[in-house]
Amino acid sequence: KNQVEQSPQSLIILEGKNCTLQCNYTVSPFSNLRWYKQDTGRGPVSLTIMTFSENTKSNGRYTATLDADTKQSSLHITASQLSDSASYICVVSDRGSTLGRLYFGRGTQLTVWP
Amino acid sequence: EADIYQTPRYLVIGTGKKITLECSQTMGHDKMYWYQQDPGMELHLIHYSYGVNSTEKGDLSSESTVSRIRTEHFPLTLESARPSHTSQYLCASSGAGNTEAFFGQGTRLTVV
Repeated sequence: KNQVEQSPQSLIILEGKNCTLQCNYTVSPFSNLRWYKQDTGRGPVSLTIMTFSENTKSNGRYTATLDADTKQSSLHITASQLSDSASYICVVSDRGSTLGRLYFGRGTQLTVWP
Repeated sequence: EADIYQTPRYLVIGTGKKITLECSQTMGHDKMYWYQQDPGMELHLIHYSYGVNSTEKGDLSSESTVSRIRTEHFPLTLESARPSHTSQYLCASSGAGNTEAFFGQGTRLTVV
């Protein structure tokens, strides 16, 4: 069964600190992995997208890693800001269908305190 | 900024009413999707479309229906709303191949 598991479920950190969010998946055949940021009551916004051959991708203070062998990904946030408070969702796409089905994790709820 | 729009953003209606949630995108994307998301939970695919006149049901069973008469428009309709339909509904679109999906801001539906 294709699944995406994220940890931790929730995380509280102080402003300026770094944090790392984890994503494990069993989706096969794998196409790409995306990290989205979703503010409360709004739609998800893409942070990074990585294919099988990519190990690391950065977007400002966000750095995503991918290990396609172990089927694990991480999202590292550097020097956190209050505006980073949101749900971070790991999404894995398969290439076994024309649709390129998206499989969503439940997200990690990040809260940044001043 | 993604060019995909949902209206209304918030809707509170009575049981038994018929409602249509609107979704439009100006990116010329062929693939469009509707997701349902309860608070703190993951997104569940309820409908998708490959293009005009193409609609399919998703992984999560839903009493809603959709239509795709124009590429840019993918409305979702509930013929008779019930309290169990209370949720957030997110519309998304993506282009050719296995590319990024862009999401709308969502419609928060409350049925009383």
